[in-house]
Amino acid sequence: DSGVTQTPKHLITATGQRVTLRCSPRSGDLSVYWYQQSLDQGLQFLIHYYNGEERAKGNILERFSAQQFPDLHSELNLSSLELGDSALYFCASSLGTGVLPNQPQHFGDGTRLSIL
Amino acid sequence: GENVEQHPSTLSVQEGDSAVIKCTYSDSASNYFPWYKQELGKRPQLIIDIRSNVGEKKDQRIAVTLNKTAKHFSLHITETQPEDSAVYFCAAKRYSTLTFGKGTMLLVSP
Repeated sequence: DSGVTQTPKHLITATGQRVTLRCSPRSGDLSVYWYQQSLDQGLQFLIHYYNGEERAKGNILERFSAQQFPDLHSELNLSSLELGDSALYFCASSLGTGVLPNQPQHFGDGTRLSIL
Repeated sequence: GENVEQHPSTLSVQEGDSAVIKCTYSDSASNYFPWYKQELGKRPQLIIDIRSNVGEKKDQRIAVTLNKTAKHFSLHITETQPEDSAVYFCAAKRYSTLTFGKGTMLLVSP
């Protein structure tokens, strides 16, 4: 158990819909990262939040957005869903800003999103 | 941005053999290189990591080497066991952002 909690574990929805994925970081971690894992693209970094503020953006679509709340949990919102959005979405957390080498990222169990 | 290449994409070995997975990175500012193991349907798990000021690190049967000049790093697994079968990902970190390789599927046959 990594200590990073993601809900739900599975989500099945239809094209055009909107979903929200939730992540609670490990106790003491201030940074939350979101990744998308699909068969053809591997693990793709989406976005990083530190203590409520956006710190870095990766290959995140405009239809996707995220935020980190005062209690440090984070939500990833995916809207206008397309078939190609079907993937595993992982959240990871780390100490501090995540910049230092002694601040590794630990992953949650992921949310499997299936678009029908 | 950073680009990480990982080879081979699949690797089959017999139990007890050694396995080596190689990665190259493009951004000389990357300073931290973790390796993750992902079993089917599970989360990536950090198994070993190395900082840019260290050339080699070992933890029991696994070791990682880093050549900063050539911008490549490798994972070495000795005395492989069937439970080592999984997908292994290398990554390079610049500031807080991890860029992952495409992964290597390691199959260890008994």
